[in-house]
Amino acid sequence: SAVISQKPSRDICQRGTSLTIQCQVDSQVTMMFWYRQQPGQSLTLIATANQGSEATYESGFVIDKFPISRPNLTFSTLTVSNMSPEDSSIYLCSVAQGVGEQFFGPGTRLTVL
Amino acid sequence: RKEVEQDPGPFNVPEGATVAFNCTYSNSASQSFFWYRQDCRKEPKLLMSVYSSGNEDGRFTAQLNRASQYISLLIRDSKLSDSATYLCVVNMGGYQKVTFGTGTKLQVIP
Repeated sequence: SAVISQKPSRDICQRGTSLTIQCQVDSQVTMMFWYRQQPGQSLTLIATANQGSEATYESGFVIDKFPISRPNLTFSTLTVSNMSPEDSSIYLCSVAQGVGEQFFGPGTRLTVL
Repeated sequence: RKEVEQDPGPFNVPEGATVAFNCTYSNSASQSFFWYRQDCRKEPKLLMSVYSSGNEDGRFTAQLNRASQYISLLIRDSKLSDSATYLCVVNMGGYQKVTFGTGTKLQVIP
């Protein structure tokens, strides 16, 4: 299974600012996924990051709010823009193996004041 | 109806007990099914895949019922270390893209 790291592990930010989360994988992968997990809830897919093309966003998530970069096959970033307290959440990146087995990074715990 | 539905629990069971969780899914074209485990303040980790014929891994047994569109997870001889949230995960046809259930919380008590 892939080894995935995320930076930062946690942050406390002021509303109106932006935070970029980095995800690094120890092997080349075609697709990387970004999820959000709000307190007490399950994971919601934000977008799929494809190398060499625009990210594919799920319903309710837009590129202006969550711009994603995927410069190569081992790295991706997610930016949470113009943050509000409602963006306080854990953000996780993952990679897939096979048709659905996913391996997750340790997550970034974001608190917006 | 939610795409993947689970009883959130919590299920509080004594050590040594057998406990079972069910998960229903709405899309009959769903192809792959998984159980993940998530410990408090940690990322989800794959527990086991669920095959049409069912599969067993030690104390854990997973089964799929396509006709009724549900999967189940049975844990025998519960240990304190089994305390976690168990997430039902379904691949509904999109390549490598999955949908997570809300999770079932299990607390094994001494």
